[in-house]
Amino acid sequence: NAGVMQNPRHLVRRRGQEARLRCSPMKGHSHVYWYRQLPEEGLKFMVYLQKENIIDESGMPKERFSAEFPKEGPSILRIQQVVRGDSAAYFCASSPLGLDPTDTQYFGPGTRLTVL
Amino acid sequence: DAKTTQPTSMDCAEGRAANLPCNHSTISGNEYVYWYRQIHSQGPQYIIHGLKNNETNEMASLIITEDRKSSTLILPHATLRDTAVYYCIVRVRTGAGSYQLTFGKGTKLSVIP
Repeated sequence: NAGVMQNPRHLVRRRGQEARLRCSPMKGHSHVYWYRQLPEEGLKFMVYLQKENIIDESGMPKERFSAEFPKEGPSILRIQQVVRGDSAAYFCASSPLGLDPTDTQYFGPGTRLTVL
Repeated sequence: DAKTTQPTSMDCAEGRAANLPCNHSTISGNEYVYWYRQIHSQGPQYIIHGLKNNETNEMASLIITEDRKSSTLILPHATLRDTAVYYCIVRVRTGAGSYQLTFGKGTKLSVIP
């Protein structure tokens, strides 16, 4: 059973470009979460999605960031007009149960975004 | 903010048991305690979780005090590959009303040969 997959693993963008990060959840998981980790800090929750729906985006920056989880295909985290402060590791997690208190999230290897 | 408190760092001799403490004095009755670890810059790895009873799996044991205000993660025979940052997590309610993992600074465990 393959784990959570993320690609690309490393992404370099120049200021003003767009970054698209992809996440394929574990088989049988319909709940996806995105986290951001700045250097020397812990992971910060960004957004929680269930197939075709955004459930909680309270951790997403108000501008330039968006996320989707279409019926078919991976979840996408999109960052428009990137700035140097967006440089970070972005982790995706998936889970089978969502809001159930016993639910467990499993993380992917992350995408390291570098903005030049 | 995270609802847990952990020591910043700990050392453990290879082959010995590593006992990582965590305080979660404000935990609610139906909230689970989760433990993850992050090795270098990899994605966090799930270790174990529990509610009130002690739990054990192939990776570790979790001991939760009777009042549920603290817990201890035990790695029975630490190896060099267990060197990592260990996070004790109680899910926090977000502004939108769902409960999400909130990673604090964790405990940096160094296993020494």
